[in-house]
Amino acid sequence: DGGITQSPKYLFRKEGQNVTLSCEQNLNHDAMYWYRQDPGQGLRLIYYSQIVNDFQKGDIAEGYSVSREKKESFPLTVTSAQKNPTAFYLCASSMWGAKKETQYFGPGTRLLVL
Amino acid sequence: LAKTTQPISMDSYEGQEVNITCSHNNIATNDYITWYQQFPSQGPRFIIQGYKTKVTNEVASLFIPADRKSSTLSLPRVSLSDTAVYYCLVGDPGPDNYGQNFVFGPGTRLSVLP
Repeated sequence: DGGITQSPKYLFRKEGQNVTLSCEQNLNHDAMYWYRQDPGQGLRLIYYSQIVNDFQKGDIAEGYSVSREKKESFPLTVTSAQKNPTAFYLCASSMWGAKKETQYFGPGTRLLVL
Repeated sequence: LAKTTQPISMDSYEGQEVNITCSHNNIATNDYITWYQQFPSQGPRFIIQGYKTKVTNEVASLFIPADRKSSTLSLPRVSLSDTAVYYCLVGDPGPDNYGQNFVFGPGTRLSVLP
């Protein structure tokens, strides 16, 4: 099956700890994205990447870092600088340059602070 | 980016047709209108996309008037499983605006009652 996978489903972070959320896609999409969703809110863009080895900051990039070493993978690291990391994190991908661009989302990772 | 405005919530009963209207007064010439559906603790799912007039697929219809300053998502004969949050997005799918188009506001929370 083609799609996007995220792991783990739940992640617990201790104070001062960096944690990494995994996102993998086998849709052969060029672009990948990370969003954060707080309860009852919409999605806010953290980072996006159009192509391997390139990525751009979204609206709320502070306290987060990403890498794009492979087309299929776009891991997100929540650093200790992110003071309020508890949220639902969603990864998405899309075709680059498609006339009608739509995103495909993964199942999400819920991050909780201990 | 064109800002969108939708009702925060709507209630409906099973079997009824539901129409959710989105206002986007500042829509640009190249912007497309896209709707996503999100169930609790899941990633959003693409429903329908259009540029003008009417678009229909197996799930919904999208009505866009000539001035394109609003759009209406129509869900025929809703069931309990249609209870979800529905997001209206407006953006230009061209590569020059890549990654900047996916602004998910709070959406419309639809509750379908038995």
